[in-house]
Amino acid sequence: SQTIHQWPATLVQPVGSPLSLECTVEGTSNPNLYWYRQAAGRGLQLLFYSVGIGQISSEVPQNLSASRPQDRQFILSSKKLLLSDSGFYLCAWSVPGALYNEQFFGPGTRLTVL
Amino acid sequence: RKEVEQDPGPFNVPEGATVAFNCTYSNSASQSFFWYRQDCRKEPKLLMSVYSSGNEDGRFTAQLNRASQYISLLIRDSKLSDSATYLCVVRVRGKSTFGDGTTLTVKP
Repeated sequence: SQTIHQWPATLVQPVGSPLSLECTVEGTSNPNLYWYRQAAGRGLQLLFYSVGIGQISSEVPQNLSASRPQDRQFILSSKKLLLSDSGFYLCAWSVPGALYNEQFFGPGTRLTVL
Repeated sequence: RKEVEQDPGPFNVPEGATVAFNCTYSNSASQSFFWYRQDCRKEPKLLMSVYSSGNEDGRFTAQLNRASQYISLLIRDSKLSDSATYLCVVRVRGKSTFGDGTTLTVKP
């Protein structure tokens, strides 16, 4: 069966510091991968998605970036965090090549920028 | 106007009640539809997909009305464990748009 991991689970960072969040998927090959952010009491905002190694699409212009160095690894980064970057960051995967299928989420990283 | 809009809630119901949530979407090209459940400070988990013919999973029934561009979720015989936020999701060409969620609290 497929599993998705994210770390760290929680993170408190000062404004202006760098960020690196990692997501890995097990049990499937070439998954579609996604990064979402959820603000308190709100729905999920799609940040990035990837259909393959090195292929990244950005949905919202911001100071975040994403990379996919390996088939089942997805990394979210920032060089300098802003207060507005605080939120719940969720990685998700879906079946490769199927655009209509459901997504499955990792446990998330709760980021607080102070 | 938001692409996906849900009943704002919150819904507070007694155990055993029947409760219904609605969700409207604006993009007529939307291709697939889902309901997710999200517990406090946890990740969303897939509750059920929504098909044009309607589908049922135990106490949960989902309906899709493409003409009016809305989907619904009906929960019968509510349990305390149904307390959560329910997210409506609409997919177009592989991209998902999430509603802001409706919070349900089931009370003894």
